[in-house]
Amino acid sequence: DADVTQTPRNRITKTGKRIMLECSQTKGHDRMYWYRQDPGLGLRLIYYSFDVKDINKGEISDGYSVSRQAQAKFSLSLESAIPNQTALYFCATSDPGQGAGGELFFGEGSRLTVL
Amino acid sequence: GQQVMQIPQYQHVQEGEDFTTYCNSSTTLSNIQWYKQRPGGHPVFLIQLVKSGEVKKQKRLTFQFGEAKKNSSLHITATQTTDVGTYFCADSSGGSNYKLTFGKGTLLTVNP
Repeated sequence: DADVTQTPRNRITKTGKRIMLECSQTKGHDRMYWYRQDPGLGLRLIYYSFDVKDINKGEISDGYSVSRQAQAKFSLSLESAIPNQTALYFCATSDPGQGAGGELFFGEGSRLTVL
Repeated sequence: GQQVMQIPQYQHVQEGEDFTTYCNSSTTLSNIQWYKQRPGGHPVFLIQLVKSGEVKKQKRLTFQFGEAKKNSSLHITATQTTDVGTYFCADSSGGSNYKLTFGKGTLLTVNP
């Protein structure tokens, strides 16, 4: 089983709909992140959380919100989806106390299409 | 986080040829991480460089961090079809070691 699990893996929705992407992890890491990937633009940070009570905006947070329900769960919401939010979304975790320090462990990704 | 510029955006090689991707910044980087993303997959951590002038090797992959810590490179010797994918550098110089800023990546394709 994957250490970082994202659901759904694929979603097609319509403009104006509310969408939630969920992420859960079994790695025991405090830090969790949501990134967005668009062709030719790399990975851009949407939100990140260093613990359950800590939520921080990334470089492209407009139009998104997050909820850190528990150490293991970090959800990304699009309150009113628009077509330019069509992208591949990645959840990631990190724990600098282990491994290389700051290394990100990514989920499999959630592909969202907004029509 | 600061901007990291990665070049080239695309690179197509014949199997057996070498490949290099570069990551550049106008300001000093704290450390650089490199990731590989296979087609249809998710980014996977390769390595982290911290020290000025650092060179690390992983089999056919050689990673370098510039003396001024403003650039880094990933060199693959004698590419194989398994090397296909997008290679990203990521900088964590934004005042925290836990918020990475990624370059746009270099897509490597290998002709067998």
